[in-house]
Amino acid sequence: QVQLVESGGGVVQPGGSLRLSCEASGFSFSDYGMHWVRQAPGKGLEWVAFIRYDGSNKYYADSVKGRFTVSRDNSKNTLYLQMSSLRAEDTTIYYCAKDQSITVFGVFDSWGQGTLVTVSS
Amino acid sequence: DIQMTQSPSTLSASVRDRVTITCRASQNINNWLAWYQQKPGKAPKLLIYKASNLESGVPSRFSGSGSGTEFTLTITSLQPDDFATYYCQQYNSYPWTFGQGTKVEIK
Repeated sequence: QVQLVESGGGVVQPGGSLRLSCEASGFSFSDYGMHWVRQAPGKGLEWVAFIRYDGSNKYYADSVKGRFTVSRDNSKNTLYLQMSSLRAEDTTIYYCAKDQSITVFGVFDSWGQGTLVTVSS
Repeated sequence: DIQMTQSPSTLSASVRDRVTITCRASQNINNWLAWYQQKPGKAPKLLIYKASNLESGVPSRFSGSGSGTEFTLTITSLQPDDFATYYCQQYNSYPWTFGQGTKVEIK
C-alpha cells in the first residue's frame, strides 16, 4: 500500500534553514505529482507547494514563495522541501501528500504522518 | 485566490444523527471539490472528490453534492468513528485552498 514517510523536522532559529524529506513507497512515484501541505498546531490546513511528476513544474503558496524550494529525486522515490529564511509563522506540521490522479492535480489521496518544524530562538 | 468557507465551524451531534456540512467557494469551481476527514494527531483522509465521488474504502454513509459555489457533505447515521474535523478543498485552480474546517463533536 502507499506509504509516505516524512523526516527532517526539528527546531531551527528564525532566519535559519531546514530540509524536509518524504520517502515514498507502494506506488509508482515517478508518475504522480506531489505536494507539501502544512498545519499549525490546532489550526487548519494550508497547501504549501506542488511539483509535477517529472519536476518540470513547481507551484508555491505566496506565503513561502522565494523562501521554500520543492524538488524530487525519482530515482530515490523521495520528495524534498528546502526551507530557508524561516519565520515563527512557519512553525507547523508539514505533510507530504500524493496526487490522486496523474492528470488532475490537487486531490490528495495519501498523506504522510507529518513532521513538526518549530522556528524559535 | 479562491476562498473556501465552511459552516458551521462546530457541530454537536449524536450517534445515528444525519449531519450536513456546507462549503462555499468565493467563485465558481465547477465540481472540483474534495472533502477530507481529520482526527486529532492524524493526517487528513480523503473522503470525497469531484464533489460527489466517494473515495475507495470510504463508507457509503458519506456523500457529497453541489457544484459551482455551494457544496455539502452529508453523513447519514453518524457513527462513533465519525467524530472528527472535516475540511473542504478546491482544486479548480492554483493555489489549492481549504476551508477552515468543521469539527463534529459528541452532543
